[in-house]
Amino acid sequence: QKEVEQNSGPLSVPEGAIASLNCTYSDRGSQSFFWYRQYSGKSPELIMSIYSNGDKEDGRFTAQLNKASQYVSLLIRDSQPSDSATYLCAVKGYGGSQGNLIFGKGTKLSVKP
Amino acid sequence: DAGVTQSPTHLIKTRGQQVTLRCSPKSGHDTVSWYQQALGQGPQFIFQYYEEEERQRGNFPDRFSGHQFPNYSSELNVNALLLGDSALYLCASSYVGTGWSEAFFGQGTRLTVV
Repeated sequence: QKEVEQNSGPLSVPEGAIASLNCTYSDRGSQSFFWYRQYSGKSPELIMSIYSNGDKEDGRFTAQLNKASQYVSLLIRDSQPSDSATYLCAVKGYGGSQGNLIFGKGTKLSVKP
Repeated sequence: DAGVTQSPTHLIKTRGQQVTLRCSPKSGHDTVSWYQQALGQGPQFIFQYYEEEERQRGNFPDRFSGHQFPNYSSELNVNALLLGDSALYLCASSYVGTGWSEAFFGQGTRLTVV
């Protein structure tokens, strides 16, 4: 059973701080990793994708991937109250399961003004 | 550029009834995947349609079925509804040319079974 694990939180950070969200996955063959943001009552919104070991930066967001440790993280710098949402880590299947995204349960982030 | 659109946005059905949900993919996308998201959980993969065929299926019973039309739009059908089918149903579109590398979600259909 392929699994994606996230700390459900809530994670509370003050405005302007760095929020660090973590995710581990069980299938060592996985190649594609995604972070989605989901506001309460809304659908998931893709914010980052990462395919290679190391860091990938996009504005205030940095995704980090370590395939040897089967670990993916998302850093949000200068956190804003508008960043308060649930962050979902997703891993894409491969081979015959390429179309399948496996999601963690999500980490709820609260940014306090 | 139109994103992924789903209809209806909300639906209330009675146990035992049947329901059909609809999805139009993002412009340029040819593949539609359906997910079920229960409260407090991550989305769970139901199935994926490409070239009008079910390409891959998750661990859902046969009560869940689907269809893809020549214009790439898709339907999700659920028969003999159970209370446990109450959830947010999400449609995601992607493009085979990128290896389905990124999937974009519609706004979802909130199904309540009473």
